[in-house]
Amino acid sequence: AQSVTQPDIHITVSEGASLELRCNYSYGATPYLFWYVQSPGQGLQLLLKYFSGDTLVQGIKGFEAEFKRSQSSFNLRKPSVHWSDAAEYFCAVGAGYSSASKIIFGSGTRLSIRP
Amino acid sequence: SQTIHQWPATLVQPVGSPLSLECTVEGTSNPNLYWYRQAAGRGLQLLFYSVGIGQISSEVPQNLSASRPQDRQFILSSKKLLLSDSGFYLCAWSLAAQETQYFGPGTRLLVL
Repeated sequence: AQSVTQPDIHITVSEGASLELRCNYSYGATPYLFWYVQSPGQGLQLLLKYFSGDTLVQGIKGFEAEFKRSQSSFNLRKPSVHWSDAAEYFCAVGAGYSSASKIIFGSGTRLSIRP
Repeated sequence: SQTIHQWPATLVQPVGSPLSLECTVEGTSNPNLYWYRQAAGRGLQLLFYSVGIGQISSEVPQNLSASRPQDRQFILSSKKLLLSDSGFYLCAWSLAAQETQYFGPGTRLLVL
C-alpha cells in the first residue's frame, strides 16, 4: 500500500525567502503525486500534480515540485514566498488507475511567513 | 466547468442529535465522490467513497454513514452525534479514470 510522509509539521520563513517543503512517498510503481494547499477554514486547492513525463512540474501561484524517483521524494519549492502563502500544505500519493481512485494524504506542513 | 458545493458551511449540534451534511457536484457525470474528516490541526482522514449511485465504501468504523441517492449528490449522516464527531468535513470528487481530487469548501461541525 502507498504512504506519504511530510516530516516537517511547521515551517516559518521570511517573506521573500525561498521555500522547500519536503514530501516522501512509498509505493511500488510510479506514483501519481500531488500538492494541495489549504487556507484556514477553507477546502483544499490543487497546486500541482505529477503523473508522468517531465519530473519538474510547474503549478499555480509560482510553485514547482520535482519528482525524484531515487529518493522517493516530491518536494515543493517556491523561489520567493509572499505573506499570502501562509497556509497548510498537503502532499498526496495516488495508486494509479483504478475504478475507485483513492489518494493518501500526508499529515500536512503548516507554513508561517515572517514579515 | 465543474463545481462542488457543501451545505451547511457551519453547524453546531448537541450530542445525541442527528446529522445530515450534503455535497453536490455540478458539471460532470458519474464522478467518484469522497467524504473526509479533518480534526483540528490534523491531516485528512478518508471516511467514505462512492463510485456510483448506491455504492458506498467505508474506510473506518464509526457512527457515521454515507449515501448517494443521485449521481452527483453525496450525503453524510449520523443518527446520534458524539463529541468526537466534531471537525471539518470535506467532500471531494474525481473522474473515475483519473486520480486528481477536487475539494468542496468544507463544513465545520461542532458537537457540544
